[in-house]
Amino acid sequence: QVQLQESGPGLVKPSETLSLTCAVSGYSISSGYYWGWIRQPPGKGLEWIGTIYHSGSTYYNPSLKSRVTISVDTSKNQFSLKLSSVTAADTAVYYCTRIKSDSYGFDYWGQGTLVTVSS
Amino acid sequence: QSALTQPASVSGSPGQSITISCTGTSSDVGSYNLVSWYQQDPGKAPKLMIYEGTKRPSGVSNRFSGSKSGNTASLTISGLQAEDEADYYCCSYAGVGTLLFGGGTKLTVL
Repeated sequence: QVQLQESGPGLVKPSETLSLTCAVSGYSISSGYYWGWIRQPPGKGLEWIGTIYHSGSTYYNPSLKSRVTISVDTSKNQFSLKLSSVTAADTAVYYCTRIKSDSYGFDYWGQGTLVTVSS
Repeated sequence: QSALTQPASVSGSPGQSITISCTGTSSDVGSYNLVSWYQQDPGKAPKLMIYEGTKRPSGVSNRFSGSKSGNTASLTISGLQAEDEADYYCCSYAGVGTLLFGGGTKLTVL
C-alpha cells in the first residue's frame, strides 16, 4: 500500500523559507509516476504548487515559481518542498501527492500538514 | 492562469442526481482530456474520484461519472446518498506541465 507522510516545522517566520519533506513508503520514487505538492489555505480551495517527474524535471505554479524548489532524494525515497520569502498568505495545509504520469490524476495523498507563517 | 470556475454550492435530495460543472478555457479543459475530480471531507485529504475526464479509480462507486463538452467538464453523481456530502474539486492539465484547480463546490444532501 502506497503511503505518503509530510514532515517539517509547523511554524515559520515571515521572510524565512518553508521546508517540508514527504516520505514515501510502499513504492519506489525512482520507479515512475510524478510527485507533487498541493496546498490549501484554511477555509479555502486547493492550489497546485508544483510537480517533479521521475526524470527530475520540475514544473511550478507560475504564481509561485520564483519562490519554489522541489527536489527528490531517491536514496531516502522522499521528495521535498522549499518555499522562500514566506508571508502570512502562505499559511496553509500542505499535501504531498503521487501523480499518475499518463493522466495527471493525484492518486495518493499524504494526510497534510498545517504550516503557519507568523512571527 | 486563472482558477477553473465551479459553482460554490449545489444540493440535492437522496436518490436524486446532481451535476457539478467546471469551466475553463481552450488552453486547459478544452485542449486536453486530462480533467480529474476530487472529493474532500472536512479535515481530510482529497480523494481521487475521476481521472482523464471519465475514468473511475478502482473502488470508486459507479454512481460517479465524468464528462466534457468544449471548455466545460462535469461531474455527475447519481442516486445521491448522505455520504456524498463533501467538497468537490476539479483539476485540469493546462500545458507545459502545469495544473489548475477549480475553486471547489460544496455539495449538500438535503
